[in-house]
Amino acid sequence: QVSLQESGPGLVKPSETLSLICTVSGQSITSYHYWGWIRQAPGKGLEWIGNVYQTGATYYNQSLGYRLTMSLDTSKNQFSLNLHSVTAADTGVYYCARVVWMWEPPNFYYMDVWGKGTTVTVSS
Amino acid sequence: EIVLTQSPGTLSLSPGERATLSCRASQNVRVSHLAWYQQKPGQAPRLLIYGTSTRPTGIPDRFSGSTSGTDFTLTITRLEPEDFAVYYCQQFDNSRAVTFGGGTKVEIK
Repeated sequence: QVSLQESGPGLVKPSETLSLICTVSGQSITSYHYWGWIRQAPGKGLEWIGNVYQTGATYYNQSLGYRLTMSLDTSKNQFSLNLHSVTAADTGVYYCARVVWMWEPPNFYYMDVWGKGTTVTVSS
Repeated sequence: EIVLTQSPGTLSLSPGERATLSCRASQNVRVSHLAWYQQKPGQAPRLLIYGTSTRPTGIPDRFSGSTSGTDFTLTITRLEPEDFAVYYCQQFDNSRAVTFGGGTKVEIK
């Protein structure tokens, strides 16, 4: 049974860096799955942040990419998100998720296991 | 960027009724790259449908997905009390970017 758990500070000051960790249990992060971050502003819909692959390759939402860093820590079976120069618009619930992307037919892509989410508030 | 437009924004129905949710893509989306999620208040999203029409293990068969061109549909044949929630469609495109639709809230009438 795979489970994901987000952790990090609940309060970040404007212009600082938001750092979150997702700890994966029940599966090695170096297996064939990929890993993603998604966020949700208060009362709003879901916004994809980015994916990190087992090779360490990353794909970011273009609207956030210049502020983003995502990486894997295989020794701790974790992956992380760093969002720089945050503003109040970055306030919300941040989810990590396991991404299934089949390179061979049928080439499915979906997020099948999600963490419970962690709330981050950007405020001075 | 592929934009997914979900309609209606809110659907007011009674238990036992049929719900039809729409997700329209601004460009072609591969059938294998379209998924649906259910989210209840205070909870993380849950995968409902992937590959446009495939249900993961444990998802009841009253949930089904279909497509016609760039229009994708999630149908709930008979609403159960636990189905009242917000539903999101999601796509993955050739540039390896992901977008979600704005969501449809299914509320009790």
